This record gives sequence, C-alpha cells and structure tokens, in this order.
Amino acid sequence: AQTVTQSQPEMSVQEAETVTLSCTYDTSESDYYLFWYKQPPSRQMILVIRQEAYKQQNATENRFSVNFQKAAKSFSLKISDSQLGDAAMYFCAYIGGSQGNLIFGKGTKLSVKP
Amino acid sequence: EPEVTQTPSHQVTQMGQEVILRCVPISNHLYFYWYRQILGQKVEFLVSFYNNEISEKSEIFDDQFSVERPDGSNFTLKIRSTKLEDSAMYFCASSPRPFSGNTIYFGEGSWLTVV
Repeated sequence: AQTVTQSQPEMSVQEAETVTLSCTYDTSESDYYLFWYKQPPSRQMILVIRQEAYKQQNATENRFSVNFQKAAKSFSLKISDSQLGDAAMYFCAYIGGSQGNLIFGKGTKLSVKP
Repeated sequence: EPEVTQTPSHQVTQMGQEVILRCVPISNHLYFYWYRQILGQKVEFLVSFYNNEISEKSEIFDDQFSVERPDGSNFTLKIRSTKLEDSAMYFCASSPRPFSGNTIYFGEGSWLTVV
C-alpha cells in the first residue's frame, strides 16, 4: 500500500528566510503525482504545488519549489523568502496508478517568526 | 476562479441525529470526493464518486454514510445516526477527470461537531 511520511511535525523559520519541509513516500507505481497542500488556520486546503513523477524537472511556483528525488522517493518543499502568511499546516499528498484518491501525510506545522 | 463550495461551514448536532453536508463542485468537473479530518490528525479519504456512482470508498465509509448527487450541481454526504467520533472537518473536493494526473480542488470544509 502507498504511504506518505512527513517526519517533521513542526518547523519554524524567520521571516524572509528559506525553509525546507520533508516528505517521503512509498509506492510500487511508476506513474504518480505528488502535491503539497497548505492548510491555514481557516482550515481550507489550498494547493501549493504539484509534481508529475515522469518529469525530471522540479516544479516551481513563485517562492515555492520542490526537490523531487524519484529514486529516493523523496519530495521536499522549499519556501523561499518566507512570509508571515506562509504560517500554516503543510500536507504532502500522493495519487497514483489506478488509485483515484489522495493519500496524505500527517502534516508539518510551519511557524514564521517576524 | 471557480471553486468548490460547501454548506454548512459549521454544524452542531446531537448524537444519533442525521446530518447532510452539501457541496457544489466546480461546474465542469466530473469526479467528486469526500475527505475527513479529525482535529489534529491527517486528512483521510472517505469516498469518490464518478458517473453517478461510488467509484471508491475507504473502510471509514461504512453503512452509516451515503453520498448522492440529487441534481446537476449538488453533491451530498449523509451521515445517519451520528456518533461522537464523527466530529471532524469534512472536505468536499472535485477534479476534472478521474484518477491520477488531475489536481483535486478542495472546498473550505464543513466542521461537524457531535455532542
């Protein structure tokens, strides 16, 4: 069965600094997709970034980028120039193969210090 | 930008009562989901729905739960005889097509409190 692991329950970063959130996953599928979702205190689930496993190039969205290491089954999220509004819970998620639903990690709570 | 909308945003119900959570998926999406997040825990898949029938369901989605698309726009989750442990945030989501490769868009959630 596919699993997603986020080993950092909490992280903290100074405003304007860079932080990296870790995620590893386990799958036997060759075709899959990975996502990072942000959940602010309002509890809405907001898509931050997505990565297709068949693409070698790491996805980027403005200040957000990923380091996708397919062989290591690692999918970390880098947030550059951190802002106070980045403070939230971040969930790594996987979807792949014949499976139609997302599998989430337990999340990392990110705090941003002014 | 199109979005998934959910009602109610918060509902308090007595144990044993029936609850219906409503969702309006993004209009051109074909695949619909319900997920659940108990406070402080990870988001868990409940059920997916495609072509007017359940496509997949998790072990959480037992006979207490049912889903329906009563018209062309709404997608509902019914919880019969609610239990205290049903207290959670329930997220509706939709995607353009089924299975992997398509981004799943979430609503803002319906927070259910069972007392």
